[in-house]
Amino acid sequence: ETGVTQTPRHLVMGMTNKKSLKCEQHLGHNAMYWYKQSAKKPLELMFVYNFKEQTENNSVPSRFSPECPNSSHLFLHLHTLQPEDSALYLCASSPGGGLSSYEQYFGPGTRLTVT
Amino acid sequence: ELKVEQNPLFLSMQEGKNYTIYCNYSTTSDRLYWYRQDPGKSLESLFVLLSNGAVKQEGRLMASLDTKARLSTLHITAAVHDLSATYFCAVGYMDSNYQLIWGAGTKLIIKP
Repeated sequence: ETGVTQTPRHLVMGMTNKKSLKCEQHLGHNAMYWYKQSAKKPLELMFVYNFKEQTENNSVPSRFSPECPNSSHLFLHLHTLQPEDSALYLCASSPGGGLSSYEQYFGPGTRLTVT
Repeated sequence: ELKVEQNPLFLSMQEGKNYTIYCNYSTTSDRLYWYRQDPGKSLESLFVLLSNGAVKQEGRLMASLDTKARLSTLHITAAVHDLSATYFCAVGYMDSNYQLIWGAGTKLIIKP
């Protein structure tokens, strides 16, 4: 266990559905991340939050909408997804702050299938 | 554009053998990370390398960093089946924010 939990672990949704992924970290960290992991591709950084403020949005389509209500929780709201959005979605956290604090701790991921 | 390339992407080897995974990156960076991922599991941090010539070892794994060559290696000594996993390297990069740029991963299968 890394101290980062994600729910659900598996999700199957139709293209017209709306669902949300949840991430919670119990490490006292201040930065949280959403990544997309597709087969045979590098991890793609989607969003970064530092101290609850979104600091990075890597040209992610608007059908993905992040929310960070506090430093411990991160959500990814999904709507009208496409089949190519099927992937493993990973949440990570890091201490934030100074240069020694960038090591990221990952959750187990949510396996998303869009039908 | 910062690129991180891992080589090989797939490796099948016998127990007891030695092998090296390579991670090349295209621009300067202050640190390099190695992670391990088991199927269906989270990414687990293995090593953080902070300076040129840094070497870290944990069990049968040893990681090194050559910042001048922009190269890191992950060496496996006398491989055992439990080391079967996918190994990722990631390079720290400061743009508007500090980010990790990831390699595609090396899938390692160790056969008994």
